Amino acid sequence: GAVVSQHPSWVICKSGTSVKIECRSLDFQATTMFWYRQFPKQSLMLMATSNEGSKATYEQGVEKDKFLINHASLTLSTLTVTSAHPEDSSFYICSGLAGGGFGGELFFGEGSRLTVL
Amino acid sequence: AQSVTQLDSQVPVFEEAPVELRCNYSSSVSVYLFWYVQYPNQGLQLLLKYLSGSTLVKGINGFEAEFNKSQTSFHLRKPSVHISDTAEYFCAVSSNTGNQFYFGTGTSLTVIP
Repeated sequence: GAVVSQHPSWVICKSGTSVKIECRSLDFQATTMFWYRQFPKQSLMLMATSNEGSKATYEQGVEKDKFLINHASLTLSTLTVTSAHPEDSSFYICSGLAGGGFGGELFFGEGSRLTVL
Repeated sequence: AQSVTQLDSQVPVFEEAPVELRCNYSSSVSVYLFWYVQYPNQGLQLLLKYLSGSTLVKGINGFEAEFNKSQTSFHLRKPSVHISDTAEYFCAVSSNTGNQFYFGTGTSLTVIP
């Protein structure tokens, strides 16, 4: 299957700093990428949908100014957690949609665990 | 809108025993159905998917699922589980536009030696 690379896998930062997480589709073009947040032993919570070259669409309750998403190319989307606080600590997962349209398949990155001290 | 229900949050099963993880969905339109597996501290990996055709779908690692339109179900089965199958399993449905995915709350499968 297609490969999505997410970096970094683990990041620890101080409260108030910003953290950028990259999501790359290595062998396919992902016009649509999704960002999820996952709390321990819970399902994935969709944060936003990003389409290449346009603004991301955020789910209700997700602060767009805090979670900045950029999808500058067909193979790269970034999530920046601005002014991170301990409550932002979580497992963040991205996915890229291959094929698109009807029956398109999601390929997931391996996730990034953010710990804010 | 679509939604997915996974009735069992935790399923313990002995090694080499069969297992079924349940998934029901609701939708007013045709959908595509998926099962994903997540190992600790990792992303999700596709196990299998139903797009059309045969309602019995075979996936990786010996898993299979059957699409039942009348019961709006897509249960995942394996005839004999291994220790390595211990993981979190997510059922998902995609909209008929194909660019929105909805996930169930997940089922934690624990295989007991």
